[in-house]
Amino acid sequence: EVQLVESGGGLVQPGGSLRLSCAASGFIFSKYAMSWVRLAPGKGLEWVSAITANGGGTNYGDSAKGRFTISRDNSKDTLYLQLNSLTAEDTAIYYCAKIAARSSGWINYFDYWGQGTLVTVSS
Amino acid sequence: QLVLTQSPSASASLGASVKLTCTVSIGHINYAIAWHQQQPEKGPRYLMKVNSDGSHSKGDGIPDRFSGSSSGTERYLTISSLQSEDEADYYCQTWGTAWVFGGGTKLTVL
Repeated sequence: EVQLVESGGGLVQPGGSLRLSCAASGFIFSKYAMSWVRLAPGKGLEWVSAITANGGGTNYGDSAKGRFTISRDNSKDTLYLQLNSLTAEDTAIYYCAKIAARSSGWINYFDYWGQGTLVTVSS
Repeated sequence: QLVLTQSPSASASLGASVKLTCTVSIGHINYAIAWHQQQPEKGPRYLMKVNSDGSHSKGDGIPDRFSGSSSGTERYLTISSLQSEDEADYYCQTWGTAWVFGGGTKLTVL
């Protein structure tokens, strides 16, 4: 059974930093691209960032560019998201998601999701 | 620009059927989409991928009550024999050089 368990969320002051983790199990983590998606209060799902299976390629949404960094440790089956220069607009539940495999390329739909970790940015 | 458009809300009676629509931007008529369900206080759940030709492939454990179809730029999610637990937000998602979500449809089961 595929499981994705996020952690690392919490209350942080504006301008602060946080590192989120996503522990994966139930599949060969090193073979799949992964992604982070967030859900802000009263808003819809927003794609944040994604990373290739070997970590050699990354992609960021406009809200994350220059402030967030995605990474992974395939020896630990864990995905990370470093959040810097946080503002109130970054308050959201952050979900990690597994990207479905495809025969060519790595950009595809999300086929499994975690339960999320809440990040609250407030003074 | 790759954009997905969904109606903000929909409602249907318990035991009835409902058809949710996701419209792909006109220049992307051949794009497939994925449907995801988000029940209150839960993480999203992948339901199915719907191709431009109407074929679809469902995620693990998704009941037969859920089906997908397509017509032109519209991608559909049909839920039959509505149950109370189907009350949720439904998002469509597509992908090109990056990932795009529709705004979501809040389904109320009456």
